[in-house]
Amino acid sequence: QLHLQESGPGLVKPSETLSLTCTVSGGSISRTNDYWGWIRQPPGKGLEWIGSVYYSGAAYYNPSLKSRVTVSVDTSKSYFSLRLSSLTAADTAIYYCAREEATWGAMDVWGQGTTVTVSS
Amino acid sequence: QSALTQPASVSGSPGQSITISCTGTSSDVGTYTLVSWYQQSPGKAPQLMIYDGTKRPSGVSNRFSGSKSGNTASLTISGLQAEDEATYYCCSYVGSNTLVFGGGTKLTVL
Repeated sequence: QLHLQESGPGLVKPSETLSLTCTVSGGSISRTNDYWGWIRQPPGKGLEWIGSVYYSGAAYYNPSLKSRVTVSVDTSKSYFSLRLSSLTAADTAIYYCAREEATWGAMDVWGQGTTVTVSS
Repeated sequence: QSALTQPASVSGSPGQSITISCTGTSSDVGTYTLVSWYQQSPGKAPQLMIYDGTKRPSGVSNRFSGSKSGNTASLTISGLQAEDEATYYCCSYVGSNTLVFGGGTKLTVL
């Protein structure tokens, strides 16, 4: 059974860069039908799609975050990563990783989420 | 890309049916069938309930159904149960391998 697990710092300072990793287990990160995505949820607010990556390394981003976001994949270690730069308090959120089934554009497996607080 | 529009809240009594709308534009919901719906309970990760507008993943109750008309997608829950109380989000493909979510609808079972 596919399992995704986020990891990274819970607290980061304003203006710094956030780095999160999502480890994929119980399945292949190189499956041709899958993208691997990041979604975030500020406290008390809705979901926001951040971006996703294909096993080939091709990445796609939310236009509103594109200038600050990099999503990458390491197939040899079965994980994918998120980097978000120039952090502000508005980036405080629960960050989820998820598998996006390519044919349907639907996220069918989610990690449990990791809380990131941006504060000095 | 702008967030899809959902009502902030809906409510219904056990056994009733409710429908949650998700309004987009001719550039997203109106063009693509790739609308998905997610259920999120407090403190939990979202769970996929509907994909490709009308399809249910294995294990999701057939009380959940999806539809689309023009620029609006809808999620209908029939035979409402207390366990259905949650926040529901729609999500649409918007081209160029990008997605956009709706603002979410909190369902209260009275």
